[in-house]
Amino acid sequence: EPEVTQTPSHQVTQMGQEVILRCVPISNHLYFYWYRQILGQKVEFLVSFYNNEISEKSEIFDDQFSVERPDGSNFTLKIRSTKLEDSAMYFCASSYPDRAKNIQYFGAGTRLSVL
Amino acid sequence: KNQVEQSPQSLIILEGKNCTLQCNYTVSPFSNLRWYKQDTGRGPVSLTIMTFSENTKSNGRYTATLDADTKQSSLHITASQLSDSASYICVVIKGSSNTGKLIFGQGTTLQVKP
Repeated sequence: EPEVTQTPSHQVTQMGQEVILRCVPISNHLYFYWYRQILGQKVEFLVSFYNNEISEKSEIFDDQFSVERPDGSNFTLKIRSTKLEDSAMYFCASSYPDRAKNIQYFGAGTRLSVL
Repeated sequence: KNQVEQSPQSLIILEGKNCTLQCNYTVSPFSNLRWYKQDTGRGPVSLTIMTFSENTKSNGRYTATLDADTKQSSLHITASQLSDSASYICVVIKGSSNTGKLIFGQGTTLQVKP
């Protein structure tokens, strides 16, 4: 069964460093998403991406964050200058919306630890 | 404010028993409501999707209900198994289409004991 894959599974970085989290969505999907989950808290929407542009973003997704689909398969989330509070699990998701469902399939996540 | 609240926060049951998880939401406009299962260290996996007009939907041992008037949903798990131990998250899609933003509840952590 096709799945969303994320790399790395765990990323450790120093505060102020740039990180890039990578995702390979399911191949025929058209919508792409990033979510984050701080330990012990709810999953929070960050951004959705469709047709090579951001379709919606949350207040969390400030100028420190950017997303890119550099080729036909990868979808990346970049954090320019990481802060301690960026430590979280980051989930990528993708979907192929049909009329009724638009099921979003999630990857296993990348755990980002900012020291 | 668009919120999704779940109860109980955690639940412990014996294998083979049934349980019901609750979800209340204030999200508007409402597109649809989903229940996800999240195993520890994994991403959420969709269990059921319910639109405004659906009252009940089953997926194997999982049965979800939706009352769009009172903005409440429940997830009933029958004949629980050890593998049901996970976090169950109620998610509401905000917006007029099914591509809207997902708003997550905080989840109910279910532990099934032998």
